[in-house]
Amino acid sequence: DGGITQSPKYLFRKEGQNVTLSCEQNLNHDAMYWYRQDPGQGLRLIYYSQIVNDFQKGDIAEGYSVSREKKESFPLTVTSAQKNPTAFYLCASSIVRNQPQHFGDGTRLSIL
Amino acid sequence: KQEVTQIPAALSVPEGENLVLNCSFTDSAIYNLQWFRQDPGKGLTSLLLIQSSQREQTSGRLNASLDKSSGRSTLYIAASQPGDSATYLCAVTLGSARQLTFGSGTQLTVLP
Repeated sequence: DGGITQSPKYLFRKEGQNVTLSCEQNLNHDAMYWYRQDPGQGLRLIYYSQIVNDFQKGDIAEGYSVSREKKESFPLTVTSAQKNPTAFYLCASSIVRNQPQHFGDGTRLSIL
Repeated sequence: KQEVTQIPAALSVPEGENLVLNCSFTDSAIYNLQWFRQDPGKGLTSLLLIQSSQREQTSGRLNASLDKSSGRSTLYIAASQPGDSATYLCAVTLGSARQLTFGSGTQLTVLP
């Protein structure tokens, strides 16, 4: 089946540690996105990519980094510079930008 | 900056009732508006997308309307069922920014 796979479902980070969240899609979509969701709040855009080897900062990019070396993959690294990383992270993709986005099931990141 | 507000934050209704969820936005220069459903601990599922030139969209028991001039959208759910229990989020795409801005959602509980 076509879709978006995020892994792991749950992730724990120690203070000062970088962690990488995986997002893979087999929908042949050009555009991919990373969002952060805090309890009782909507989603906020971290980074997006319109095409391979290109990505742009969203509203809350500080403390995060991404890469887009393959069309299918858009990993997100939460660096030690992100002081409040505990949140639910959602990855999405769309055929091109501005078309309806399809979402993965998310990764919940917690600090030990 | 575009702001999206959803009221109420939570709503409980008995099974079978018709109900309306509200979404308001501050910048009327939108490209489109989407309604999503989110089940606990899961990603988002797109329910309806309304282009800026449209007034409403329907899918089964769901009907979404858009009034750009007043900055409002409503999601009407007919004959609600316990399976409709979820958080409903609206999101707008600004014509210039071309990225989604989300509301914080309405958590709906349909009681059997």
